[in-house]
Amino acid sequence: DARVTQTPRHKVTEMGQEVTMRCQPILGHNTVFWYRQTMMQGLELLAYFRNRAPLDDSGMPKDRFSAEMPDATLATLKIQPSEPRDSAVYFCASGLDTSNEQFFGPGTRLTVL
Amino acid sequence: GENVEQHPSTLSVQEGDSAVIKCTYSDSASNYFPWYKQELGKRPQLIIDIRSNVGEKKDQRIAVTLNKTAKHFSLHITETQPEDSAVYFCAASSSASKIIFGSGTRLSIRP
Repeated sequence: DARVTQTPRHKVTEMGQEVTMRCQPILGHNTVFWYRQTMMQGLELLAYFRNRAPLDDSGMPKDRFSAEMPDATLATLKIQPSEPRDSAVYFCASGLDTSNEQFFGPGTRLTVL
Repeated sequence: GENVEQHPSTLSVQEGDSAVIKCTYSDSASNYFPWYKQELGKRPQLIIDIRSNVGEKKDQRIAVTLNKTAKHFSLHITETQPEDSAVYFCAASSSASKIIFGSGTRLSIRP
């Protein structure tokens, strides 16, 4: 049963520290999405990639967030420096550009103290 | 860009009754409307979707309706059961990939 995987599942860090979250999309999928979920904002789209190329990162604070796909099996979301307001669950999802369906990973719960 | 509004934000129904969640969208080019269910502490999972060339779709106790003219779509759950308790998200997409989500509805089923 192919699934999107994310690491770490939980991360607690102090304000100012760098945080890197990783995602392994389902093998063969060529679209990858990063979402942030908070109680107040629901599911916000931060960035998405097609065939490893970033297509839209307008939802991402550019000064501290960066998203990359070093290869087709790995997507990363980095926050530097982290702030308490970044505390949230970060979901990665993958899919095919020929289909609208997205498959979500289990999420990374980030707490910034 | 696309904006999706979802109502209500919370909904409590008696077990066995029906639940209805409504969404509106702004981009007339949107042609794909999925619904995701998220149980507490879990990932969102697709439960049903509808495309703009269809007005209604059913899957057992779940149905979705779409009114393209009014730009709104709804999720109907009949004969609700305790395991239906979750947060439900509607979404809309006008491209092959990008999906915009509504703010979610927390559904509680009272025994």
